[in-house]
Amino acid sequence: DARVTQTPRHKVTEMGQEVTMRCQPILGHNTVFWYRQTMMQGLELLAYFRNRAPLDDSGMPKDRFSAEMPDATLATLKIQPSEPRDSAVYFCASGRTLGVPGELFFGEGSRLTVL
Amino acid sequence: QQQVKQSPQSLIVQKGGISIINCAYENTAFDYFPWYQQFPGKGPALLIAIRPDVSEKKEGRFTISFNKSAKQFSLHIMDSQPGDSATYFCAAFHSGTYKYIFGTGTRLKVLA
Repeated sequence: DARVTQTPRHKVTEMGQEVTMRCQPILGHNTVFWYRQTMMQGLELLAYFRNRAPLDDSGMPKDRFSAEMPDATLATLKIQPSEPRDSAVYFCASGRTLGVPGELFFGEGSRLTVL
Repeated sequence: QQQVKQSPQSLIVQKGGISIINCAYENTAFDYFPWYQQFPGKGPALLIAIRPDVSEKKEGRFTISFNKSAKQFSLHIMDSQPGDSATYFCAAFHSGTYKYIFGTGTRLKVLA
């Protein structure tokens, strides 16, 4: 059963600490997206990759957020330093670019609470 | 950044009724318009999608209506059931940039 795996599922940290969220996309998928879900903003696009290359990260606060894909099986989203306003659920999604755009497959999310 | 506007924010419908959620987009380069369904504690999952060369697509009780000239599309859920209670997101995709933008979501509650 292919699925997108995100870790950690829950994270509570204190303001100023570094937070790293990890995502394992579905094998064979070549696009990876990071979204942040809040009540007010819905699903905000933070960054996305195709074939491990970053295409657009204009949705991220550049001074504190960074996103990378060290290899095809791992995507990371890092926040340093974290702030209370970063509290949200962060979703990773993967898909394929071949042919019809098709669907995005989402992980179950990483719920971040910054105290 | 938000280029897809979704309404209403929340919706309560009686069992058997019709649920209607609307979305509007700005960028005419978008070429794929999906709807995603999200249950509490889970990630969104694709429900139904449409391309702009089609005005309507139906899958079971779910229908997308698409108005290209008005840059609007909507999701209709016929015979709404309590199991349909979830958050629904519209989205727009640009195959040139691979940008996948979501609306702000609609919380649907179907009363038994």
